[in-house]
Amino acid sequence: AAGVIQSPRHLIKEKRETATLKCYPIPRHDTVYWYQQGPGQDPQFLISFYEKMQSDKGSIPDRFSAQQFSDYHSELNMSSLELGDSALYFCASSSSRLAGETRVEQFFGPGTRLTVL
Amino acid sequence: DAKTTQPPSMDCAEGRAANLPCNHSTISGNEYVYWYRQIHSQGPQYIIHGLKNNETNEMASLIITEDRKSSTLILPHATLRDTAVYYCIARYSTLTFGKGTMLLVSP
Repeated sequence: AAGVIQSPRHLIKEKRETATLKCYPIPRHDTVYWYQQGPGQDPQFLISFYEKMQSDKGSIPDRFSAQQFSDYHSELNMSSLELGDSALYFCASSSSRLAGETRVEQFFGPGTRLTVL
Repeated sequence: DAKTTQPPSMDCAEGRAANLPCNHSTISGNEYVYWYRQIHSQGPQYIIHGLKNNETNEMASLIITEDRKSSTLILPHATLRDTAVYYCIARYSTLTFGKGTMLLVSP
């Protein structure tokens, strides 16, 4: 079965550079979530989109932005990178996130490992 | 999301049942209990979820106490590949991962 695809899998950037991470959800999934997992830390929710609209917002820094496109893929844009942004970034997707519907499982991608030097 | 409390680590012998407890004493009526696991540096994997009733699927069973203040995830026959961090999440909307339980399955 098709899974969530993330690209690139590994990315190395310098401080103050920008990075763009991409996420391709499972076909027919309309909701995308982004998580950040620092070294030795637990995953932290950043932001989510449903039908191309931001649906929930977590601890996403102002330097980061994200969007979901008409084909449901999503991009996380990170600017003015800092050493502390080095982490695994996971994207997850789910289907049919109806208003008030909470009984949906999220399927996670393999992650993008971002290293900021 | 309600706060959850799990033991930091547990050991289990291969082939035996692994029972992972979780306390969620502040859970509200519309919050489901979800269990995910994360094998080293891989994306978290959904296991099971429930609201009030006990649930079972091909991976595990979920036992929720009548007052919903705690639950137990049961892996009936643990294998080495079940070694992972297991997260219990009381959720209404987004997933909030706590510290989880590191389950080590040994031969």
